[in-house]
Amino acid sequence: EIVLTQSPTTMAASPGEKVTITCRASSSVSYMHWFQQKSGTSPKPWIYDTSKLASGVPDRFSGSGSGTSYSLTISSMEAEDAATYYCLQRSSYPFTFGSGTKLEIK
Amino acid sequence: EVQLKESGPGLVQPSQTLSLTCTVSGFSLTDYSVHWVRQPPGKGLEWMGVMWSGGSTAYNSALKSRLSISRDTSKSQVFLKMNSLQTEDTAIYYCTRSDYWGQGVMVTVSS
Repeated sequence: EIVLTQSPTTMAASPGEKVTITCRASSSVSYMHWFQQKSGTSPKPWIYDTSKLASGVPDRFSGSGSGTSYSLTISSMEAEDAATYYCLQRSSYPFTFGSGTKLEIK
Repeated sequence: EVQLKESGPGLVQPSQTLSLTCTVSGFSLTDYSVHWVRQPPGKGLEWMGVMWSGGSTAYNSALKSRLSISRDTSKSQVFLKMNSLQTEDTAIYYCTRSDYWGQGVMVTVSS
């Protein structure tokens, strides 16, 4: 099983601040996918195939990485970005999620 | 419009079997795969398994001995059955097409 380790677990960012969330895989994966989840709601697809933004996702978000190291970046934090972000690998069974990064606004 | 909706009992007794239905609309099950994902209260997401568009399935090995996923394409429904439930199976259960998610159904395992 490929284990995905996200860091940090929690963080707070000020409006306008740059934010980077990392996801490290225990073995190489072809792509990484990211989901955003706000309290009491279903996860939303956010970034797919490592760097493609899902429909409606603001372009201040970006994704990058390869092999075992991937990241989600927000170029300029906004209040609406406060949420928990999960990475997901679908390169091998079982598909696995990272444990999540809770991002708060300062 | 693409929609997925989970349905099933909110309460299951320990050692019993959970049966959930995911009813989809706006797409065909023969064109898209449907996954089941669960989330214990206050915790992260766990991938459970998938019904591929071609009709084959794959399961999380941690659940494989207890889990079964099937479908009825004529009714646009995907089914999850999991036996020998324990309290740690208490969670919100989601069905998802990956790009679309259901609202989830809360399942509590308790006597």
